[in-house]
Amino acid sequence: EPEVTQTPSHQVTQMGQEVILRCVPISNHLYFYWYRQILGQKVEFLVSFYNNEISEKSEIFDDQFSVERPDGSNFTLKIRSTKLEDSAMYFCASRSQAGAEQYFGPGTRLTVT
Amino acid sequence: QKEVEQNSGPLSVPEGAIASLNCTYSDRGSQSFFWYRQYSGKSPELIMFIYSNGDKEDGRFTAQLNKASQYVSLLIRDSQPSDSATYLCAVNMRSGYSTLTFGKGTMLLVSP
Repeated sequence: EPEVTQTPSHQVTQMGQEVILRCVPISNHLYFYWYRQILGQKVEFLVSFYNNEISEKSEIFDDQFSVERPDGSNFTLKIRSTKLEDSAMYFCASRSQAGAEQYFGPGTRLTVT
Repeated sequence: QKEVEQNSGPLSVPEGAIASLNCTYSDRGSQSFFWYRQYSGKSPELIMFIYSNGDKEDGRFTAQLNKASQYVSLLIRDSQPSDSATYLCAVNMRSGYSTLTFGKGTMLLVSP
């Protein structure tokens, strides 16, 4: 069964450093998303991406964040200058053209020290 | 502010019982409703979705939607210890957009 994959599973970085989180969505899906979950809190939407552009973003997704689909398979989230409060699980999700159901990847645990 | 509300639990049920999980949402224009299961330290796993008023059954799971009351529920029949997890209610609140708004989740504990 096709699934969303994410790398790395765990990333430790120092405050102020840039990180890139990578995702490979399900192959025939066209809509891509990033969500995050701070420990003990709810899952929060960051950004949605369709047809090579951002379709929606939340207040969390400020100028420090960017997304890119550098090739036909990868979808990346870049945090330009990490802060302590960026420590969270970051989930990539994708969905097809046909349905509204979003399928989540296993997540990347980002720890900012 | 658009919200999805869930009782945080834990909801404790014995093995073999029916577990009933509830969710309310604030936006009357909400379109699509999802239940995800999340084991500790893992990602959300989609288990049910429902778009129309009424019941939708899939194996041991039944999702129920009442748009007039802005209420969606998940019933798990013949609960198993492996069902012990946090169940997240997610709602697509904006027509034309597919962003999901999540509740905080209800922890379910099924005892053998």
